[in-house]
Amino acid sequence: ETGVTQTPRHLVMGMTNKKSLKCEQHLGHNAMYWYKQSAKKPLELMFVYNFKEQTENNSVPSRFSPECPNSSHLFLHLHTLQPEDSALYLCASSQENAGDGYTFGSGTRLTVV
Amino acid sequence: EDQVTQSPEALRLQEGESSSLNCSYTVSGLRGLFWYRQDPGKGPEFLFTLYSAGEEKEKERLKATLTKKESFLHITAPKPEDSATYLCAVQGSNYQLIWGAGTKLIIKP
Repeated sequence: ETGVTQTPRHLVMGMTNKKSLKCEQHLGHNAMYWYKQSAKKPLELMFVYNFKEQTENNSVPSRFSPECPNSSHLFLHLHTLQPEDSALYLCASSQENAGDGYTFGSGTRLTVV
Repeated sequence: EDQVTQSPEALRLQEGESSSLNCSYTVSGLRGLFWYRQDPGKGPEFLFTLYSAGEEKEKERLKATLTKKESFLHITAPKPEDSATYLCAVQGSNYQLIWGAGTKLIIKP
């Protein structure tokens, strides 16, 4: 496989559930990102990992917990979410400093009920 | 404060009707301006990077231009398959990307 792969594509979860989103990149990039995309709003950066180390946490609530076990894999662990957390969650990767932009996965459409 | 504003929010064109999308920005130390295309239910797909004022890049019916304050994405003789949301982002001196809210383009046959 090439590019950035995200699973699952769709997820419906109750507010008391625990679930995880997975992202995998096969591009040899050093940086990986989680973004939240809501309708008619700019992409919201959530977390940044460079060489497996978290370098950015944009005041994201603790109910979102990232994990980066190696430079090719990124997870977003979810627990006790709120309905307003329903959105498209996008994973992206880039070379260090993102000079050539990001490569995005297809996203996970999350619905919290 | 770094900021990106895209206009219009939505644009409806007839097939073959050329037009332009605008991306206005303020950023400290522009390192690059990026254009992406996003289809419904998918992640953004990279189109262009522009690095300095006066630079232009083309791909099929799309042409991106850059000045010190804004970028335009010109669409010439569009087809229905060009329908998508077009996103603009700038990278400043801190290397983070600042995103606009996008322009939804609809091309009617």
